[in-house]
Amino acid sequence: LAKTTQPISMDSYEGQEVNITCSHNNIATNDYITWYQQFPSQGPRFIIQGYKTKVTNEVASLFIPADRKSSTLSLPRVSLSDTAVYYCLVGDMRRDDKIIFGKGTRLHILP
Amino acid sequence: SAVISQKPSRDICQRGTSLTIQCQVDSQVTMMFWYRQQPGQSLTLIATANQGSEATYESGFVIDKFPISRPNLTFSTLTVSNMSPEDSSIYLCSVETGAAGELFFGEGSRLTVL
Repeated sequence: LAKTTQPISMDSYEGQEVNITCSHNNIATNDYITWYQQFPSQGPRFIIQGYKTKVTNEVASLFIPADRKSSTLSLPRVSLSDTAVYYCLVGDMRRDDKIIFGKGTRLHILP
Repeated sequence: SAVISQKPSRDICQRGTSLTIQCQVDSQVTMMFWYRQQPGQSLTLIATANQGSEATYESGFVIDKFPISRPNLTFSTLTVSNMSPEDSSIYLCSVETGAAGELFFGEGSRLTVL
């Protein structure tokens, strides 16, 4: 699995758009980019997955440039309940036998 | 998707004892994963458990300390043996399923060793 680098922590305010960038310089051709969200005292929860360009769902958008060496998770109009740790994972989840989590980004939303 | 139930949700244990954590999934899955998450830290993969075969352990984790059972496609157990305070952590069961190969997690079992 490709190694990922994310900011350790970020602060933002309610109603703002939050963008969390993940670097993955060694991403392989078959690798997908997947983001998870973890609230305190809960297991991580799948948010979004993409391979290239842009993916959007009801929760977030994922922007992936042409070289795929980075990706940006975009959370529109965050609320206090978006305070959580966000993990970026890179790999071929359909093929890999195991999934390794990096350090994640601790997002703190302020009122 | 998958719904995962873990038991116990939390426990306080004495040094030197062992505790078995159960993980029940609402559907049949091939692979189950056990993770450990220490306070304020990311998740660390302990082992991968396939039904009908021995679990595969990650570096730093051994079967004698963390024996795993996988008797069928919906159930697994992780035992934390001869516990010490360093084993105080949250232990999470996970399965991989869905079109995107996403992981689904249980709520975790919070272990405190005195």
